[in-house]
Amino acid sequence: KNQVEQSPQSLIILEGKNCTLQCNYTVSPFSNLRWYKQDTGRGPVSLTIMTFSENTKSNGRYTATLDADTKQSSLHITASQLSDSASYICVVSGGNAGNMLTFGGGTRLMVKP
Amino acid sequence: KAGVTQTPRYLIKTRGQQVTLSCSPISGHRSVSWYQQTPGQGLQFLFEYFSETQRNKGNFPGRFSGRQFSNSRSEMNVSTLELGDSALYLCASSLVAAWDPGNTIYFGEGSWLTVV
Repeated sequence: KNQVEQSPQSLIILEGKNCTLQCNYTVSPFSNLRWYKQDTGRGPVSLTIMTFSENTKSNGRYTATLDADTKQSSLHITASQLSDSASYICVVSGGNAGNMLTFGGGTRLMVKP
Repeated sequence: KAGVTQTPRYLIKTRGQQVTLSCSPISGHRSVSWYQQTPGQGLQFLFEYFSETQRNKGNFPGRFSGRQFSNSRSEMNVSTLELGDSALYLCASSLVAAWDPGNTIYFGEGSWLTVV
């Protein structure tokens, strides 16, 4: 069964600190992996998209890594800001049923002053 | 340019009723996909339409259906509503297929459905 597991479920950090969110998946065959940021009550916004051949991709203070061999990805947030408080969702595309999108449960990040 | 527009934003329905949600994609986008988001299950893929044809479907019962019009606007219908259908329903649009890695998916703000 195609699954995407994210950890931790929730995280509290102080403003200015760095943090790393994890995503493990079992989706096979694999097409691509995306990270989204979702503010409370809003739709998700794309942060990064990575294919099999990409190990790292950055978007400002957000850096995503992908290890397709171990089926793991991480999202590193540098110098966190209060506006980073949101849910971060890992989405994997692939699977035998025609490139379905499988979503992780998300990590809820709270940045405190 | 205008983003993905979903209507209505909030609605309350009674068990057994049916509901239709509407989505207007970004101009020029031909793919529209629908998702259900609940606290317990997270985000789940419902279906995707491209050029008026359903191309992918998630694991939802037949009570959930959709369609896409020639102008790419899409509607989603849920019949015989159950309490468990209470959720945020998100629509997303993209230029080509939602799964295409070279393709960014843009989400709308969602429609909050409460079934009582």
